[in-house]
Amino acid sequence: QKEVEQDPGPLSVPEGAIVSLNCTYSNSAFQYFMWYRQYSRKGPELLMYTYSSGNKEDGRFTAQVDKSSKYISLFIRDSQPSDSATYLCAMVQTSYDKVIFGPGTSLSVIP
Amino acid sequence: GAVVSQHPSRVICKSGTSVKIECRSLDFQATTMFWYRQFPKQSLMLMATSNEGSKATYEQGVEKDKFLINHASLTLSTLTVTSAHPEDSSFYICSARSGTGSNQPQHFGDGTRLSIL
Repeated sequence: QKEVEQDPGPLSVPEGAIVSLNCTYSNSAFQYFMWYRQYSRKGPELLMYTYSSGNKEDGRFTAQVDKSSKYISLFIRDSQPSDSATYLCAMVQTSYDKVIFGPGTSLSVIP
Repeated sequence: GAVVSQHPSRVICKSGTSVKIECRSLDFQATTMFWYRQFPKQSLMLMATSNEGSKATYEQGVEKDKFLINHASLTLSTLTVTSAHPEDSSFYICSARSGTGSNQPQHFGDGTRLSIL
């Protein structure tokens, strides 16, 4: 079993839709969780950074962490064509000092 | 804030050439920088962790004599691919951590696309 699993997609939605991106993980020692957005031929851009279980909102983005289920989500409201990118979840176990990335989900928002 | 610049963005060169890639943190000091490799439609693969003023820590399977890393200052790390061959062609991305703790998020450069002919 991989440490972090993420549906690679591709996921295609109409403009204005609510997008739900998810990752599951197997290591209960992961403590910090991040979502990155990566446009084609560019480096990943940090979108959200969370620690505790629950929700964190930033504009159109909401990150949700459920440590008991080992499940994290990123919700995008009112999706825009500019949101078309690959979304990577990432998590870190501080004692191990290494970030583990999911394989990424490719999202296309159709105008 | 937390801007990381990577240069060059694209390199095409002949087999046997050595290629140097620079990674700079522009608006913060980065005690730790990381070098990743990314294959098409795949996630990031950590190659090495670079701490300022000390030797880099390489991941298993990464040849340290092939991929030379130098982190001489708090704002600059370099990766040199020595005697590059076509199988070294890939997208190389650096990142920098803005704090000293492992819980601090990494900020990424825009990557270098390396093509070896």
